[in-house]
Amino acid sequence: AQSVTQPDIHITVSEGASLELRCNYSYGATPYLFWYVQSPGQGLQLLLKYFSGDTLVQGIKGFEAEFKRSQSSFNLRKPSVHWSDAAEYFCAVGPYSSASKIIFGSGTRLSIRP
Amino acid sequence: DGGITQSPKYLFRKEGQNVTLSCEQNLNHDAMYWYRQDPGQGLRLIYYSQIVNDFQKGDIAEGYSVSREKKESFPLTVTSAQKNPTAFYLCASSSTDQQGETQYFGPGTRLLVL
Repeated sequence: AQSVTQPDIHITVSEGASLELRCNYSYGATPYLFWYVQSPGQGLQLLLKYFSGDTLVQGIKGFEAEFKRSQSSFNLRKPSVHWSDAAEYFCAVGPYSSASKIIFGSGTRLSIRP
Repeated sequence: DGGITQSPKYLFRKEGQNVTLSCEQNLNHDAMYWYRQDPGQGLRLIYYSQIVNDFQKGDIAEGYSVSREKKESFPLTVTSAQKNPTAFYLCASSSTDQQGETQYFGPGTRLLVL
């Protein structure tokens, strides 16, 4: 079965500390991977996406993610978090050109400790 | 500014009432989507439309209906048959380029039952 797992429901990190949010997927074909961020009561904003090529993907707001096929993972990282990074983060996987088949993870809520 | 607008931001439904959520986009995208978001869960696809005057059911279409009479607009009606409509509803549209298909989301509508 195709699925996306975000094992951490809630993470708290101190401002200025590094961050890694985990995402594991199960997908039968070549995956097309996304990370989205959602502020409270808002829609989703695309942070970055992987479709092929370099396995380290750079995104907006200083985020990056690394695709590891052997581990079926696509973890999101940021070297130094800011208070404004507090939000919910969603990982998603799907085929190259069929957004209706994208599967979303259940999200990780990030809190920032002053 | 190009983007996706959803209205209203909050919507209250009485028992037995149908309500309609608005979604408009000026991105000139052909495809549009409706998702439902519940706490602690990922997004679940309700309906999608890849072209004007055509739409398909998603994973949880029961109790919902849509229309796509104009490229810019994709309204969602929550009917009285939907017994648990309280949720956050997100509309999206998508574009396709050499990096595949990418979705862009509106700010959402929160539906509450009185």
